[in-house]
Amino acid sequence: DSGVTQTPKHLITATGQRVTLRCSPRSGDLSVYWYQQSLDQGLQFLIQYYNGEERAKGNILERFSAQQFPDLHSELNLSSLELGDSALYFCASSSLAGYNEQFFGPGTRLTVL
Amino acid sequence: QQQVKQSPQSLIVQKGGISIINCAYENTAFDYFPWYQQFPGKGPALLIAIRPDVSEKKEGRFTISFNKSAKQFSLHIMDSQPGDSATYFCAASSVYSGGSNYKLTFGKGTLLTVNP
Repeated sequence: DSGVTQTPKHLITATGQRVTLRCSPRSGDLSVYWYQQSLDQGLQFLIQYYNGEERAKGNILERFSAQQFPDLHSELNLSSLELGDSALYFCASSSLAGYNEQFFGPGTRLTVL
Repeated sequence: QQQVKQSPQSLIVQKGGISIINCAYENTAFDYFPWYQQFPGKGPALLIAIRPDVSEKKEGRFTISFNKSAKQFSLHIMDSQPGDSATYFCAASSVYSGGSNYKLTFGKGTLLTVNP
């Protein structure tokens, strides 16, 4: 158990809908990262937050957004969902000590029908 | 543009054998190279990591070899066990200006099967 929690574990929704994925980092970790894992694209970095502020953006669509709250939990919002958004979404956290060991949560499996 | 290339895509090894997975990177700014292990239905778990100032790091049966001039690094699993059967990902990261930006760039993964 990495100490990173994600909810829900599974999410099934329809095209055009909006969903929110939630992540709680390990105790004491200030940095949260979101990654998308799909069969064709592999693990892709989406966005990073550090202590409530956006710090880096990767291949994140404009339909997707995220935020980190004062208690350090983070939410990833996916809107106008398309079939191609079906994937595993992982949250990772790090304390930024040393060389940034990132610890991943169990993921949320999103299925868009 | 794939910045971290991983091979092979799949690997079958007999119990007790050595599993070797290779990665090559392009971005010379990368300065941290972790390996992750992922079981079906689980998130990636950090296995072992290396920095470019050393050429080898060993933790138990797992060893990373790093060749900075060739921009390559590899994972060796000694005495491979059926419980090692999983997908292995190499990754790389760099520190952007301003710090706190350590996004990981992952290889495509290697599915390792260790036969009993």
